[in-house]
Amino acid sequence: AQKITQTQPGMFVQEKEAVTLDCTYDTSDPSYGLFWYKQPSSGEMIFLIYQGSYDQQNATEGRYSLNFQKARKSANLVISASQLGDSAMYFCAMRPNTNAGKSTFGDGTTLTVKP
Amino acid sequence: DTGVSQDPRHKITKRGQNVTFRCDPISEHNRLYWYRQTLGQGPEFLTYFQNEAQLEKSRLLSDRFSAERPKGSFSTLEIQRTEQGDSAMYLCASSTGQGGWHEQYFGPGTRLTVT
Repeated sequence: AQKITQTQPGMFVQEKEAVTLDCTYDTSDPSYGLFWYKQPSSGEMIFLIYQGSYDQQNATEGRYSLNFQKARKSANLVISASQLGDSAMYFCAMRPNTNAGKSTFGDGTTLTVKP
Repeated sequence: DTGVSQDPRHKITKRGQNVTFRCDPISEHNRLYWYRQTLGQGPEFLTYFQNEAQLEKSRLLSDRFSAERPKGSFSTLEIQRTEQGDSAMYLCASSTGQGGWHEQYFGPGTRLTVT
């Protein structure tokens, strides 16, 4: 079984500053993918970034980077130069490669960017 | 735009009634997933299809729930004898392949309210 833990129910960040959203996971699968999604108030889940468990380098996508520490089972999302439009709910998720149908999501972190 | 679409976007029904939701995936995607999301929680996996075959069902999917994907294209999710606890956002997603690295593209969701 997989489990995702996001310990920060809410986070605040000043516009233009960087913020880190925490995610820890638990799995017995040797190979898996880790994902971050953004969910604005409109409700749609927007894919942000992916990290494979065997990837040597941390993933980056524009202002998003994933701080992957496999030994600690953590996959924190770093958003640089925060913008007002970044205010949303953020979900960490994982999916094992052996059974790639099922994604397990955390309970999310609400990020509020202050002007 | 050829993203994942869901219909209806909102549904209000009385307890005990049956409801059916439709999901149209991205056309070349052979995998289709259903999730349920309640307020303040992350999405929970319900079921997924590869083409027309339903490969896995969550224990959350009681016998009142049934999903189909008859021609391997669109899918329907039916809830019979709705209960107030069924009130949630029902999300559909699709992807191209089997590996955990394949991004799941989400639709806008159907919000169900059972009164």
